[in-house]
Amino acid sequence: RKEVEQDPGPFNVPEGATVAFNCTYSNSASQSFFWYRQDCRKEPKLLMSVYSSGNEDGRFTAQLNRASQYISLLIRDSKLSDSATYLCVVHKGGTSYGKLTFGQGTILTVHP
Amino acid sequence: GAVVSQHPSRVICKSGTSVKIECRSLDFQATTMFWYRQFPKQSLMLMATSNEGSKATYEQGVEKDKFLINHASLTLSTLTVTSAHPEDSSFYICSAVRTSGSQETQYFGPGTRLLVL
Repeated sequence: RKEVEQDPGPFNVPEGATVAFNCTYSNSASQSFFWYRQDCRKEPKLLMSVYSSGNEDGRFTAQLNRASQYISLLIRDSKLSDSATYLCVVHKGGTSYGKLTFGQGTILTVHP
Repeated sequence: GAVVSQHPSRVICKSGTSVKIECRSLDFQATTMFWYRQFPKQSLMLMATSNEGSKATYEQGVEKDKFLINHASLTLSTLTVTSAHPEDSSFYICSAVRTSGSQETQYFGPGTRLLVL
């Protein structure tokens, strides 16, 4: 089983749509969680951290369920510029200082 | 935000040659940098942790003698792919950890595309 699993998609949605991505992780000792965005042939860029209480940044909402080891990202009012691959990323913490484990990514295409 | 650069951005080389990739943190010091590899349609896979002033720590399955890492200063880590073969063709990305108080943030370089013919 992969440490971080995501539905690879692709998700094709019209502008203005709401889309949700899910992610599960296998290591219950994981401490920090993130969503990164990766554009084609570019490096990943941090979209937002994910907190247990849930957090929102504009049109983006992230949720974490530690009991189910489940992370989600909700994008409201999708824009064409949201088209990218969204990576679920987990940090184990502890002695694995700084090490991030990436999911395979979910491809999103927003069309006019 | 913090900036991490990589050089070269793209390299094409013949099989059997060695290729050096540089990763620099431009506006902060990083005692720890990471090297990742990403094959087409796959996610980033951590190859090794580069620690300034000490030996790199390699992930399982990554040959340390093939992927030489040197972290000689607080702003520079290099990855040398020795005797490169076509199967080493990939997108190599580094990241640098910036520490501010208790907060640690990882910043990624723009990546280096390696094509081995």
